[in-house]
Amino acid sequence: GAVVSQHPSRVICKSGTSVKIECRSLDFQATTMFWYRQFPKQSLMLMATSNEGSKATYEQGVEKDKFLINHASLTLSTLTVTSAHPEDSSFYICSARGGDTIYFGEGSWLTVV
Amino acid sequence: DAKTTQPNSMESNEEEPVHLPCNHSTISGTDYIHWYRQLPSQGPEYVIHGLTSNVNNRMASLAIAEDRKSSTLILHRATLRDAAVYYCILRVHGYGGSQGNLIFGKGTKLSVKP
Repeated sequence: GAVVSQHPSRVICKSGTSVKIECRSLDFQATTMFWYRQFPKQSLMLMATSNEGSKATYEQGVEKDKFLINHASLTLSTLTVTSAHPEDSSFYICSARGGDTIYFGEGSWLTVV
Repeated sequence: DAKTTQPNSMESNEEEPVHLPCNHSTISGTDYIHWYRQLPSQGPEYVIHGLTSNVNNRMASLAIAEDRKSSTLILHRATLRDAAVYYCILRVHGYGGSQGNLIFGKGTKLSVKP
């Protein structure tokens, strides 16, 4: 079946630095990918829609200058958390549409210390 | 977006069937009913989806009420690996840019006892 892969699965960074998370569709092309954030014991919150070759669409309340999204190819979208702070520590998950089904990546744990 | 309502939690015994309910009284004619589950520390996993007719796959069955205002995900024989949060989500199919931004509710946390 279709697979979406994220990297890294876990990352620890220092406060004030930036960290990039990659999301790849391994066996299908995805013109649109989606980024979610999930805090412990909470549900997934959609952050933004990543569109290949154009600007991402951010949900209300999500800072586009802090969470930079780049969708440079049909199989890769990246999320860069800039100037990370401890409150950005969370589980970040991407998804991509393959036909009528949405496939999710394994998620990336970000810890900002 | 049409909303769904699910119980916060359910318990099941291993090897027994599990029926997970979902209410979606404001569903529109173009909404498909999707089910995903999320195991601890993992991304959500697709389970099944349907529009009007009941659906079966290797993971589960989906029973959809005739008026489409409710549905039930059926796990025929629960295993310990089925312990997860199950999400019932309505989605319009299509190829527009926003078709695929699933909106997650709180889901149902299923516990399976050995």
